[in-house]
Amino acid sequence: DVKVTQSSRYLVKRTGEKVFLECVQDMDHENMFWYRQDPGLGLRLIYFSYDVKMKEKGDIPEGYSVSREKKERFSLILESASTNQTSMYLCASQGGEEKLFFGSGTQLSVL
Amino acid sequence: LAKTTQPISMDSYEGQEVNITCSHNNIATNDYITWYQQFPSQGPRFIIQGYKTKVTNEVASLFIPADRKSSTLSLPRVSLSDTAVYYCLVGDMDSSYKLIFGSGTRLLVRP
Repeated sequence: DVKVTQSSRYLVKRTGEKVFLECVQDMDHENMFWYRQDPGLGLRLIYFSYDVKMKEKGDIPEGYSVSREKKERFSLILESASTNQTSMYLCASQGGEEKLFFGSGTQLSVL
Repeated sequence: LAKTTQPISMDSYEGQEVNITCSHNNIATNDYITWYQQFPSQGPRFIIQGYKTKVTNEVASLFIPADRKSSTLSLPRVSLSDTAVYYCLVGDMDSSYKLIFGSGTRLLVRP
């Protein structure tokens, strides 16, 4: 089975802190994604990567950056966390025929 | 941008068949249609995927008309454990890497 692992299940940070969310997949997938999910808004795409060191902005990239130094790892970075970035963050990797495999999510609270 | 439209919520009773329809007018020629299921505090999980006509697996069926501008997820004889949010996912014509989730349909199965 494909495994997508997010480093933290719950995270509490303070406003202005730099935050790293890590995601690792074990299926040698080319494409990886970061989404955030908020009540009533569904899943919104922040960034995606289709190869090592390659990235593209999704629908809501403001306030975020990403890093893909190795194929299996895709990191989401909040340079200076703000309260409106409190959310559930979901990482996914993409296999054949556009099938996505999701991690369990990281619930981030910014105080 | 490609866009999908689903009912916000649906109610059903145990043992009934549930049909959830998704509209996707701008689907790309080579894109697949994929449905996901999400329980609270978990990442979405793949249910079924299709390109055209009908696809069936052990948990659901997917009906896609010839014009592919919509699709219907059919859940036979639902149980309480099928209570979840169901997302319809199609490719984006502007970028094959950008996969857009629908707003999701919250299905409540009552005893």
